Amino acid sequence: AQTVTQSQPEMSVQEAETVTLSCTYDTSESDYYLFWYKQPPSRQMILVIRQEAYKQQNATENRFSVNFQKAAKSFSLKISDSQLGDAAMYFCAYRSSSLTGGGADGLTFGKGTHLIIQP
Amino acid sequence: GAGVSQSPSNKVTEKGKDVELRCDPISGHTALYWYRQSLGQGLEFLIYFQGNSAPDKSGLPSDRFSAERTGGSVSTLTIQRTQQEDSAVYLCASSLVPSGGARDTQYFGPGTRLTVL
Repeated sequence: AQTVTQSQPEMSVQEAETVTLSCTYDTSESDYYLFWYKQPPSRQMILVIRQEAYKQQNATENRFSVNFQKAAKSFSLKISDSQLGDAAMYFCAYRSSSLTGGGADGLTFGKGTHLIIQP
Repeated sequence: GAGVSQSPSNKVTEKGKDVELRCDPISGHTALYWYRQSLGQGLEFLIYFQGNSAPDKSGLPSDRFSAERTGGSVSTLTIQRTQQEDSAVYLCASSLVPSGGARDTQYFGPGTRLTVL
């Protein structure tokens, strides 16, 4: 079974600064997807960024970028120019790419990192 | 278009009662997922539907939990004889297809917070 570990329960950053959230995972598969989701107090999970394991290029979405190290099974999220609206819980998630029956399409989440933005 | 919606937003029930949680996926999305989010267990995947079919129900926590999906759209998660440990936020997500590039991105609803007294 796959596992996802987020070792930072809470992180704090000054507004406009850069912060990096860590995520490691364990899998025996070679092809899979990785995600970062944001969950504000409204509870709605919002996709931040997605990475396909077969792509060597790191995904970027505006101020959000990832550092994907496949051999090290590491998938960190960098938020540049932090804004007050970035304050939320951030979850790293893994999904198998294979459709081998139930469970294969469910996301496996880490425990989350609570990101605080200091004004 | 409209996102994933869930109802009720909050539900308080007494131990032993049955509850039904509803999920309306994004129109046209063939895949639908249920997750549970609790303080102790974090986010757990419960069940996945492709159309009206759930290939594997082994992720459901106990036989008190059941789920169905009708017409390839709305899904209900039913918990019978609720227990205090069932208290959690139940999240629903949908995707255009179960697997296939960006089209399998899961979009989440706001969840139902269930409190069992």
